[in-house]
Amino acid sequence: DSGVTQTPKHLITATGQRVTLRCSPRSGDLSVYWYQQSLDQGLQFLIQYYNGEERAKGNILERFSAQQFPDLHSELNLSSLELGDSALYFCASSVRQGSSEQYFGPGTRLTVT
Amino acid sequence: AQSVTQLDSHVSVSEGTPVLLRCNYSSSYSPSLFWYVQHPNKGLQLLLKYTSAATLVKGINGFEAEFKKSETSFHLTKPSAHMSDAAEYFCVVSAAGTASKLTFGTGTRLQVTL
Repeated sequence: DSGVTQTPKHLITATGQRVTLRCSPRSGDLSVYWYQQSLDQGLQFLIQYYNGEERAKGNILERFSAQQFPDLHSELNLSSLELGDSALYFCASSVRQGSSEQYFGPGTRLTVT
Repeated sequence: AQSVTQLDSHVSVSEGTPVLLRCNYSSSYSPSLFWYVQHPNKGLQLLLKYTSAATLVKGINGFEAEFKKSETSFHLTKPSAHMSDAAEYFCVVSAAGTASKLTFGTGTRLQVTL
């Protein structure tokens, strides 16, 4: 158990809908990272927050957004969902701002029908 | 820009025999390299990391990897496979200055047979 928690574990929704994925980092970690794992794209870095501020962006679509709250938990919002957004979404956390040693949560499996 | 290439998408070994999972990297700067493991329906777990210290890196569960700059390789090995090693393994690189952006390989599925 990495100490990173993600909810929900599974999510099934329809195209065009909007969902919110939640992540709580390990105790003491200030950085949160979001990744998407899909069959065709593999594992891709989406976005990073450090102590409430966005620090790095990867291959994140404009329909997706994220934020980190004062209590350090983070939410990833996915809107206007398409079939291709079906994937496993991981959250990771680290102590420092740009740490490459990241601890991953169990993931949220999103299915868009 | 940095990238990693995992040379095998699937490796099958017998229990008790050595494991070799191959990874080549490309990076403009001194890279940090990692191996992560993903068991079925689980999150990713860090196995080991190389960050410019010793070139032979020891990780958890008996795994180790050797950084070879001349060959741009970071292969993962284990002397004796166990059934519990069956999982997906990812080679990962991050470059200096972009430490937060991990770039993942496509993964190698390790199958361990009796």
